Amino acid sequence: DAGVTQSPTHLIKTRGQQVTLRCSPKSGHDTVSWYQQALGQGPQFIFQYYEEEERQRGNFPDRFSGHQFPNYSSELNVNALLLGDSALYLCASSLGPKSTQGFGNTIYFGEGSWLTVV
Amino acid sequence: AQKVTQAQTEISVVEKEDVTLDCVYETRDTTYYLFWYKQPPSGELVFLIRRNSFDEQNEISGRYSWNFQKSTSSFNFTITASQVVDSAVYFCALSGRKRSTGANSKLTFGKGITLSVRP
Repeated sequence: DAGVTQSPTHLIKTRGQQVTLRCSPKSGHDTVSWYQQALGQGPQFIFQYYEEEERQRGNFPDRFSGHQFPNYSSELNVNALLLGDSALYLCASSLGPKSTQGFGNTIYFGEGSWLTVV
Repeated sequence: AQKVTQAQTEISVVEKEDVTLDCVYETRDTTYYLFWYKQPPSGELVFLIRRNSFDEQNEISGRYSWNFQKSTSSFNFTITASQVVDSAVYFCALSGRKRSTGANSKLTFGKGITLSVRP
């Protein structure tokens, strides 16, 4: 049973560039969320995708955008990178509301993508 | 707004000691879930336990146990007979219910507790 997979694992970008991170949810899961974790902090919610639509969004600027594909995989895009965007980006997958366990089901995380902006 | 407070920042114990990690939460939701995750240096958040707001029964799962008290909004986590492999950052998290979709709302995390278990 494949867990949540993310790519790339590490990357270095220059300020002002754009980055795309990818996530494949756990088998059977249809909802993907993205979190940003700065060093020494807890993860912060960016947004959540279900049925290929953004369903919830945290307090992040429009430079952060995403997409969900029909196979439930997802991308996180960050434009005009700032030094402060350096962080671990975590993808989480879960079952959506149509599932009998849609609410409160376990949310699984990938190993994350470490982004360094220089 | 939801909030999770983990007042302890770092805990160091000797192997085989029991250790309790504290978590206090705030929410206006009447239905919610609480989670504990472990984060080793690799970065992956590993699910440990979850508890829903309408079940205050405390349980034990192997070396893990938890104490959920709604009256004090606390959800403490205990590791019995700690091992070196337990060394990691531990996060408490809270999830409500998004009314429009019925789905999980976002997870709100505490700042984490760094646990070091010395041999």
